[in-house]
Amino acid sequence: AQKITQTQPGMFVQEKEAVTLDCTYDTSDQSYGLFWYKQPSSGEMIFLIYQGSYDEQNATEGRYSLNFQKARKSANLVISASQLGDSAMYFCAMREGSGDKLIFGTGTRLQVFP
Amino acid sequence: KAGVTQTPRYLIKTRGQQVTLSCSPISGHRSVSWYQQTPGQGLQFLFEYFSETQRNKGNFPGRFSGRQFSNSRSEMNVSTLELGDSALYLCASSLAGTRYGYTFGSGTRLTVV
Repeated sequence: AQKITQTQPGMFVQEKEAVTLDCTYDTSDQSYGLFWYKQPSSGEMIFLIYQGSYDEQNATEGRYSLNFQKARKSANLVISASQLGDSAMYFCAMREGSGDKLIFGTGTRLQVFP
Repeated sequence: KAGVTQTPRYLIKTRGQQVTLSCSPISGHRSVSWYQQTPGQGLQFLFEYFSETQRNKGNFPGRFSGRQFSNSRSEMNVSTLELGDSALYLCASSLAGTRYGYTFGSGTRLTVV
């Protein structure tokens, strides 16, 4: 069965420092997509970054980069130069094959302190 | 352009009642999916619609149903509400199969008393 595992319930990082949020996945499909979302206390899910299973390079979007290690089935999110506004829940998600069903991990609560 | 709009934002219902939640996707998006988020179970997939057809369904009882209209707007209905149905219900729209992610609405927070 498809599964996303986020082993860090909470993380603290000082402003301007980099932080890595861990995500491992399990799937038997060859074609899949991996997503990271940010959820502030308001509840809205904000798309951050996407990595396709066939993408040869790690995805980057501004301060966000995805450390994709296919053999290890990991897709860690790296946030560089953390800001106070980065404090939120972060979810790793996977889409398998066709269709638009996402499977989410349990999330990591990131707190950025001054 | 306008984002995904979910109405209402907050809702309080009594056990046994039914509720209908609405989701208007981004213009041009034909795929709409629904998720339930609770502290205990996390984010769980409910169902997904594309061009008025349900393509995928999650592991929820038959009390949970949905539909999509020709303008891609979607509704989900929960009948005979239970206390455990209290949750944040999120709707997401996308261009089908996109690599650019799914755009979520702000959600409807349902409280069942």
